[in-house]
Amino acid sequence: NAGVTQTPKFRVLKTGQSMTLLCAQDMNHEYMYWYRQDPGMGLRLIHYSVGEGTTAKGEVPDGYNVSRLKKQNFLLGLESAAPSQTSVYFCASSSRELLAGEQYFGPGTRLTVT
Amino acid sequence: AQSVAQPEDQVNVAEGNPLTVKCTYSVSGNPYLFWYVQYPNRGLQFLLKYITGDNLVKGSYGFEAEFNKSQTSFHLKKPSALVSDSALYFCAVRDGGSQGNLIFGKGTKLSVKP
Repeated sequence: NAGVTQTPKFRVLKTGQSMTLLCAQDMNHEYMYWYRQDPGMGLRLIHYSVGEGTTAKGEVPDGYNVSRLKKQNFLLGLESAAPSQTSVYFCASSSRELLAGEQYFGPGTRLTVT
Repeated sequence: AQSVAQPEDQVNVAEGNPLTVKCTYSVSGNPYLFWYVQYPNRGLQFLLKYITGDNLVKGSYGFEAEFNKSQTSFHLKKPSALVSDSALYFCAVRDGGSQGNLIFGKGTKLSVKP
């Protein structure tokens, strides 16, 4: 099993450009999450999904959109990138079977917006 | 609202000495508590969790954590630190919803010197 994978690993954008980050998991997990990690801030939840076709806002959703068209994939979109979105982005998944189950994380995408 | 605090930005210990990384929490209801570790340029890895039962929880890589309800703490411990334990450690608490969302602390950098 590959677990949780993320593409791309690195990306540099200019202000105003758009991009999509892809997360894929092969564990048949129902729940998927997008976080951003900034120095001294820990991880903050951007959006999450409790199942195919459903998404919800997390703590810091502004400037991002998400889609979950297939159970195994969770896409994070930036329509018009801003320097404040320079961060490391992590995707995670967890099973609904375990109400207090741990989340499994991908390796991250390092995004720089100039 | 649920919250978690890690009062130390950095903890320094000598190899072979015991280590403690502190975490306190604030929840309504029963707490579901987690510790994760992040090695450089990697995603987070699950270490251990407390849901109910024994106050001393054992996890991966020889780590354990002690749940203390009266002090609302969930400190991470290891009897004998290794240089390879050097990493960023995050405490997390599950929020009150049913989706399994986690609220993370800001992280504590553990440095183990030979």
